[in-house]
Amino acid sequence: AQKITQTQPGMFVQEKEAVTLDCTYDTSDPSYGLFWYKQPSSGEMIFLIYQGSYDQQNATEGRYSLNFQKARKSANLVISASQLGDSAMYFCAMRENNNAGNMLTFGGGTRLMVKP
Amino acid sequence: DSGVTQTPKHLITATGQRVTLRCSPRSGDLSVYWYQQSLDQGLQFLIQYYNGEERAKGNILERFSAQQFPDLHSELNLSSLELGDSALYFCASSGTGGSGKLFFGSGTQLSVL
Repeated sequence: AQKITQTQPGMFVQEKEAVTLDCTYDTSDPSYGLFWYKQPSSGEMIFLIYQGSYDQQNATEGRYSLNFQKARKSANLVISASQLGDSAMYFCAMRENNNAGNMLTFGGGTRLMVKP
Repeated sequence: DSGVTQTPKHLITATGQRVTLRCSPRSGDLSVYWYQQSLDQGLQFLIQYYNGEERAKGNILERFSAQQFPDLHSELNLSSLELGDSALYFCASSGTGGSGKLFFGSGTQLSVL
């Protein structure tokens, strides 16, 4: 079974509008972390936001917020006031604390395109 | 700038050849991770080293090997290259404690012709 599922291969959003990128995860580990990374066309992976499984509040970082619904095992990324520079691939990832290492498992990604 | 340095940025080689990708982690980070990103497989974890020791292994082929040296830089060796090995190879590092977020290098784009 897929550990991280991103069901939206591609999305369009109008500049200045908000957009939600979906992410669901699967783990039996009670302690885990969820991450979002951005990959622009230049290729680098840029960390955006982190949510720990025991965090009581949804994480926020500037225009990025994470809508964490633990019971539903979802960790959607919300980008407010979209900008042209937000056009990129977005990856959701999970770190499970019961694995030997601390590697992240990534979803397949969502390509976001911001329209002017 | 993530602080993780990868060289070379681009590599073009032929099938059957062997290449070495190099990574220098962020100052002070003991963990190094290697990932492969291809169009059909997405981002796949290959292997992790912690302070010179192999910590975890993912979907790494037997033709591939890695090591982490005493100065904490790491090398990923790819041998008997096939067309399907063409991909973007990322190195990432992390510190101890905290969220465990990974800091990624800019990647090495490998093209096997």
